[in-house]
Amino acid sequence: QSVLTQPPSMSGAPGQRVTISCAGSSSNIGAGYDVQWYRQLPQTAPKVVIYGNTNRPSGVPERFSGSKSATSAFLTIAGLQAEDEADYYCQSYDRSPSDSFVFGTGTKVTVL
Amino acid sequence: QLLLQESASGLVKPSETLSLTCSVSGASISDDSAHYWGWIRQPPGKRPEWIASFYYGGIHYGGITFYNPSLRGRVSITLDTSKNQFSLKVRSVTAADAAVYYCARLLPTSSTYYMADWGKGTTVTVSS
Repeated sequence: QSVLTQPPSMSGAPGQRVTISCAGSSSNIGAGYDVQWYRQLPQTAPKVVIYGNTNRPSGVPERFSGSKSATSAFLTIAGLQAEDEADYYCQSYDRSPSDSFVFGTGTKVTVL
Repeated sequence: QLLLQESASGLVKPSETLSLTCSVSGASISDDSAHYWGWIRQPPGKRPEWIASFYYGGIHYGGITFYNPSLRGRVSITLDTSKNQFSLKVRSVTAADAAVYYCARLLPTSSTYYMADWGKGTTVTVSS
C-alpha cells in the first residue's frame, strides 16, 4: 500500500511554477519526521534536491523549494526549465507498522 | 569526493541468493561520524524501496543494522572495513527481487536520515 501518495503526473510550460504534493499520515509526516525530495532522470540514480523539509543541498538551483504542513509536504519548482523534466519522489520515515524509510509513489513532471 | 560503486551482479536464478558489494572511496564506512550506509532498490517503473542500513560507530561500539520489515529474514548486510566495502545478501530470490540496486550514504536531518549520496546502481535480473 502507498504510505506516501503523490500525483502521478504534472506538467507546465517553461517558466511556470509547479507544486508537487506528498500526502502522508500521522505515522510519518504527521509524526514529525522530516521529508526529503529526490529528482530522478532516466537511467540514473535519484538525487536529493530538498532534505529536512526545506533545505537545499549545495548545487541545487534556488528554484527548488520545500515545505511541510500537518501530514503533507510540498515541492515547488519555480520557473520550470527543460532539464526539470524528471521523476520526483518524496521520502520520509514511517514508524509503525513499517518502521522503515519510505518513498512516495512518484510524480512525473513534463515540461511542455 | 565520495564515490560509491556497486559490484556487477546480473542474473540470479529463482530461489538462489543475490550478493552485491558496495565499494566506497572518499569516506570511511568505519568512522564514528553520524553516517549511515545502506541499500535501496528500484524495480522497473516503480518507486525506490529502502532495503537496509547500518551505522558502524567505531570498533568499540558494535554497530547498528536495521532492515525493512517486509524483507527482514531474507536480507543481511556485512561489512569489510579493511576494504571499505559493505555487502548485501538477499536469500530465496523471486521475480519480485528484480530491480536496480543502489548503495547509498545516509546523512541525518533533525528527525531522520536521507540518502545524500548514491551509487550509479546495478541491475539484477531473476530468471532461470
